[in-house]
This record gives sequence, structure tokens and C-alpha cells, in this order.
Amino acid sequence: AQKVTQAQTEISVVEKEDVTLDCVYETRDTTYYLFWYKQPPSGELVFLIRRNSFDEQNEISGRYSWNFQKSTSSFNFTITASQVVDSAVYFCALSADQTGANNLFFGTGTRLTVIP
Amino acid sequence: DAGVIQSPRHEVTEMGQEVTLRCKPISGHNSLFWYRQTMMRGLELLIYFNNNVPIDDSGMPEDRFSAKMPNASFSTLKIQPSEPRDSAVYFCARLRGPRQPQHFGDGTRLSIL
Repeated sequence: AQKVTQAQTEISVVEKEDVTLDCVYETRDTTYYLFWYKQPPSGELVFLIRRNSFDEQNEISGRYSWNFQKSTSSFNFTITASQVVDSAVYFCALSADQTGANNLFFGTGTRLTVIP
Repeated sequence: DAGVIQSPRHEVTEMGQEVTLRCKPISGHNSLFWYRQTMMRGLELLIYFNNNVPIDDSGMPEDRFSAKMPNASFSTLKIQPSEPRDSAVYFCARLRGPRQPQHFGDGTRLSIL
């Protein structure tokens, strides 16, 4: 069975603070893919990143960074120097397919509020 | 820009009415996905198409729901008759390429009174 757990339901930080959003997953597949999506208050879902299970290198994109650790089945997301525009619900997702076709399992999301 | 246009953005209608949600993928690979997002159940895949053919519709809640993709640039999700529990945000998503992740449209917020 595949499962994604985002234990943090809501997080509030003050602008310029760093924040880490946790994602823990369960899967029996040896090959799998992990995703992060952002849903701002306007409601759309924005793709942020995809990682495959064979690539444990951390990734950095501007203020965003992702830490993938197979040993703990985690794929955490850190925002450095948070900004008000980062306020959104963030979803972690898991799939056995690189496109997520047929089986893109989403976590319940973490609502991040960045206070000015 | 996800390259997916959904219409309408908001729909409010009375129970029992037929509802049609539309999705126009502007470009990209020929796979298309319909999702539903609710507070109780989160994001759920309803159906997905490849080459205009439904591949998996096991997520469609019941016979009141139907989806079509008559061509590569248009798909509809229809609910007939609608019920209050169908109230949700419905997303359409596509692939930008054959091995690319899904990119979502802006969604349709549906309210059934």
C-alpha cells in the first residue's frame, strides 16, 4: 500500500524565518517518485519538484530545498527566508510512475502561513 | 502556466441539475487527468485518459459521473443529477511531455445547493 503522511497540518512562521515541511511516505515499490505541489490561496495547484527513488541528492532551487532520505522514508521541503507569498497549502505526493498516472497519492497537505 | 484551461471557474447550481465541467489542454502530451478535492477526502483521481481513451475510471464515484475526451484538446466531466455531496473543487491535469509530471489547471469550484 502506498501512503503519504504530512503530520503538520498547519504551520505559522514570521517572514524571513526558515521553515521545513515534513513528508513521510510508505511504499513497497523499489522504484517510485515523490512530488511536491503548492496550492496558494487562489486555489490552483502548482508543481514544484519531482524526485525518483534512485536519486537521493538534495536539491536546491532558489529559496527552496528538498531533502530526500530513503533510510527514513522522508522527503522534506525547506523554505529559506520565508516570504508572505509562500503562504499556501503544500502537498507531498507519491507515485510508482514518473508521471503519476493512475496512482498519484497525495498527502493531506500542510498549510503554511507566513506572517509579515 | 500549466497550459490547461478549465471552465467555469465557479459553478453554483441546485441539486438535481446537470453539471458539465470543461477542460482544454493547450498543449503537451496526450494524457489528461480529472481530480476532485474535498476537505474530507483530499485530492482524489477520478479518471484519466491517454490518447483520448479512458484508461482508468475506477475513481469515478458513481454512475452519475461521466467523462469524455472527444479530441486531444477538450474533455468534459459531467454530473447528472448533481447532489450536494458533489460540492468540491475539480481539477484537470495534463502532462507536458511523455515522461513529465502532471500540471494542473486552476480548478472549478462546484457548489451544489
